Amino acid sequence: KAGVTQTPRYLIKTRGQQVTLSCSPISGHRSVSWYQQTPGQGLQFLFEYFSETQRNKGNFPGRFSGRQFSNSRSEMNVSTLELGDSALYLCASSLDGGRTDTQYFGPGTRLTVL
Amino acid sequence: AQSVTQLGSHVSVSEGALVLLRCNYSSSVPPYLFWYVQYPNQGLQLLLKYTSAATLVKGINGFEAEFKKSETSFHLTKPSAHMSDAAEYFCAVSDRGGNKLVFGAGTILRVKS
Repeated sequence: KAGVTQTPRYLIKTRGQQVTLSCSPISGHRSVSWYQQTPGQGLQFLFEYFSETQRNKGNFPGRFSGRQFSNSRSEMNVSTLELGDSALYLCASSLDGGRTDTQYFGPGTRLTVL
Repeated sequence: AQSVTQLGSHVSVSEGALVLLRCNYSSSVPPYLFWYVQYPNQGLQLLLKYTSAATLVKGINGFEAEFKKSETSFHLTKPSAHMSDAAEYFCAVSDRGGNKLVFGAGTILRVKS
């Protein structure tokens, strides 16, 4: 079974621009979560989507948004980029998003904001 | 709110020595706990998880962890370190109400030859 895939793997943007990251979950998985990883703040939860609905949201500003499509693929968007948005963005998928469900992570998208 | 504390941001062991990575949690609901490993430029890979069945959990690559409620701990161990174990390790607790993971700060494991 193919794992979680994320595209692109690397991105360079400038302040003020917006960016869209894509995540394809493992086949059959309906829950997709996004995390931001930075050296200073570590791994932080952004949001979770299940059956095209945002079910859970972390403590990030409204510039961070996402969506999920009917095939469970997910995108996250960051508008008006700031230098502090430079990070590794990880996507994880799981079968049904329960508390004991294993989340399988993709390789991440490395975003650099100049 | 759920939280995780990993004691020691860096741990160094000799090849063949015992690996012990410490994790303490705080949870207002029955905790479900996970250990993940991250190799450079890669995502996270699940090593093992505790979901209230056996308190001693065996994972991949010879790792295991013991859930101790009285100590609110879930330390990760491996009897004999291998060079390939060098990576960053994250302990996480599953938050209430869904699939949100709350991670510790991570521990970088160095294995000396």
